[in-house]
Amino acid sequence: GQQVMQIPQYQHVQEGEDFTTYCNSSTTLSNIQWYKQRPGGHPVFLIQLVKSGEVKKQKRLTFQFGEAKKNSSLHITATQTTDVGTYFCAAGTYKYIFGTGTRLKVLA
Amino acid sequence: DAGVIQSPRHEVTEMGQEVTLRCKPISGHNSLFWYRQTMMRGLELLIYFNNNVPIDDSGMPEDRFSAKMPNASFSTLKIQPSEPRDSAVYFCASSSETSTTRERTDTQYFGPGTRLTVL
Repeated sequence: GQQVMQIPQYQHVQEGEDFTTYCNSSTTLSNIQWYKQRPGGHPVFLIQLVKSGEVKKQKRLTFQFGEAKKNSSLHITATQTTDVGTYFCAAGTYKYIFGTGTRLKVLA
Repeated sequence: DAGVIQSPRHEVTEMGQEVTLRCKPISGHNSLFWYRQTMMRGLELLIYFNNNVPIDDSGMPEDRFSAKMPNASFSTLKIQPSEPRDSAVYFCASSSETSTTRERTDTQYFGPGTRLTVL
């Protein structure tokens, strides 16, 4: 079946450093969504990407959809302690398949 | 809007007991999802409903698990009998799906989850 892999699995950064997580699918996607889950919380929708090569920004977060629509990335510039959590991508097919997640820890 | 409501928030039970998890989706949403999250397996889709009808239950682990959606404002996930390996956080999510194709474009709104511990 379709798989969605994310790398890295874990990332520890110093506050102020940049962070990137990558999402890779075995098949072409119609769209991809990103969610953030704070420790002890539930996944919260961040953004959806639909078009090939699409780039969207939310303040310090930059989301990109690959040209072949099989991969995506989330980049955070100058991380803050509020960025701590697990970031999931979700591949849109007839149902959503969540990636394995990247757990981000920000050291003050 | 109150968001997706789940109950109970925490459940501790003994192996062999029946467990029922409850979910009230956001009013007006036509899709409902049940997920299970563990450290080992991540976030797994168990089953989802469109307009109260189960569409895909391929993620339901085994016959011990069953889910119902008797109306648009209520769903249950039942485990009978429960086993220690069922210990996890169970999330319910709802969305408003408007796509006319087979490809989903909806945003899922997750409830706070039920943390289940089976001793």
